[in-house]
Amino acid sequence: GQQLNQSPQSMFIQEGEDVSMNCTSSSIFNTWLWYKQDPGEGPVLLIALYKAGELTSNGRLTAQFGITRKDSFLNISASIPSDVGIYFCAGPVYSGGGADGLTFGKGTHLIIQP
Amino acid sequence: AAGVIQSPRHLIKEKRETATLKCYPIPRHDTVYWYQQGPGQDPQFLISFYEKMQSDKGSIPDRFSAQQFSDYHSELNMSSLELGDSALYFCASSLGQSGGFNEQFFGPGTRLTVL
Repeated sequence: GQQLNQSPQSMFIQEGEDVSMNCTSSSIFNTWLWYKQDPGEGPVLLIALYKAGELTSNGRLTAQFGITRKDSFLNISASIPSDVGIYFCAGPVYSGGGADGLTFGKGTHLIIQP
Repeated sequence: AAGVIQSPRHLIKEKRETATLKCYPIPRHDTVYWYQQGPGQDPQFLISFYEKMQSDKGSIPDRFSAQQFSDYHSELNMSSLELGDSALYFCASSLGQSGGFNEQFFGPGTRLTVL
């Protein structure tokens, strides 16, 4: 099946720093999604990207849909303690049946050092 | 705003028992998805339903079945439980099938522990 390679696996940063993570695939995706998950909670949708080259912001978060349709990145500016969590990239696996399930990257653990 | 509701939030079962997880989608959402997330893993898609019909199937074991009811809520039935079924189970919902992708909103999950 389609796999998403997400990096880095974890990031240790200082409060106030900018963060960048990315996701690549060997297959083309028509939609890229970025979710954040806190421990024991469900993933929360941060940004959805639908067009190659699209750059979308949501507050301090900015994500881009790569031109090749095989990659995406997520940037977080001026990190704050509540940014701690696991960030997942995801994309729908089109099967032709509609209501397509998502395939997820392995996640990036964001840890903010005091 | 109303979110996806899942019940129960926690469930403990013995091996070989059965379990039923319930999902109530966001009002007006007609599509539900089920995911399984093992410890330290990413969510794995199991199955989805649109307008009460199975729509897409992922890595759902044959021991599991699911359905969507007339009020759009969904139930995931799990039989002959194994230790490896211990995981977080998420339901997500979306609105409609427009031919393009519909954003999925996740519930808080049910933590299943099999002893």
